[in-house]
Amino acid sequence: RKEVEQDPGPFNVPEGATVAFNCTYSNSASQSFFWYRQDCRKEPKLLMSVYSSGNEDGRFTAQLNRASQYISLLIRDSKLSDSATYLCVVNTGTYKYIFGTGTRLKVLA
Amino acid sequence: DAMVIQNPRYQVTQFGKPVTLSCSQTLNHNVMYWYQQKSSQAPKLLFHYYDKDFNNEADTPDNFQSRRPNTSFCFLDIRSPGLGDAAMYLCATSRDPGVGNEQFFGPGTRLTVL
Repeated sequence: RKEVEQDPGPFNVPEGATVAFNCTYSNSASQSFFWYRQDCRKEPKLLMSVYSSGNEDGRFTAQLNRASQYISLLIRDSKLSDSATYLCVVNTGTYKYIFGTGTRLKVLA
Repeated sequence: DAMVIQNPRYQVTQFGKPVTLSCSQTLNHNVMYWYQQKSSQAPKLLFHYYDKDFNNEADTPDNFQSRRPNTSFCFLDIRSPGLGDAAMYLCATSRDPGVGNEQFFGPGTRLTVL
């Protein structure tokens, strides 16, 4: 079993739709959780950190469920510019950041 | 703006010809990482430095070496590139490992091996 698993997609959604991604992790000692966005042939960029209480940044909401060991990302009112790969990243408080393989999102006009 | 810079952005080399990729940071972070990322795959950690302490991943081939002459700079040397080494190489930094400390990535160097 992979340490961090994501549905690779692609998720094809119309503009304005709400879309949700899940990510599961296997190490119960994981302490920090992040969503990164990666555009084609570019570097990953931090979208948001994920906190136990859940957090929201504009159209983006992240949730953490420690009991079930998953994190989620909800995107409301999808824009064409949201088309990218979304990487789930988990850290146990050491140097090692474990990446999921990413979920591809394509927002269609 | 504080940032992570990689040079060159694109590198073409010949099979077996050594190549060096560079990374610099103005964030003054203790930890620097090198990742290899191939198409549709997650970034794969090659090694990292915590200050001057070098830490190699167990499955990183000997063909890959690294140097960190000071806090700001880190280099990735590929001694004899093979066709399978063609990839995007990402440099990243972070503060001391700890809860909530995210990684900051450079723009990457895309390596082509002919």
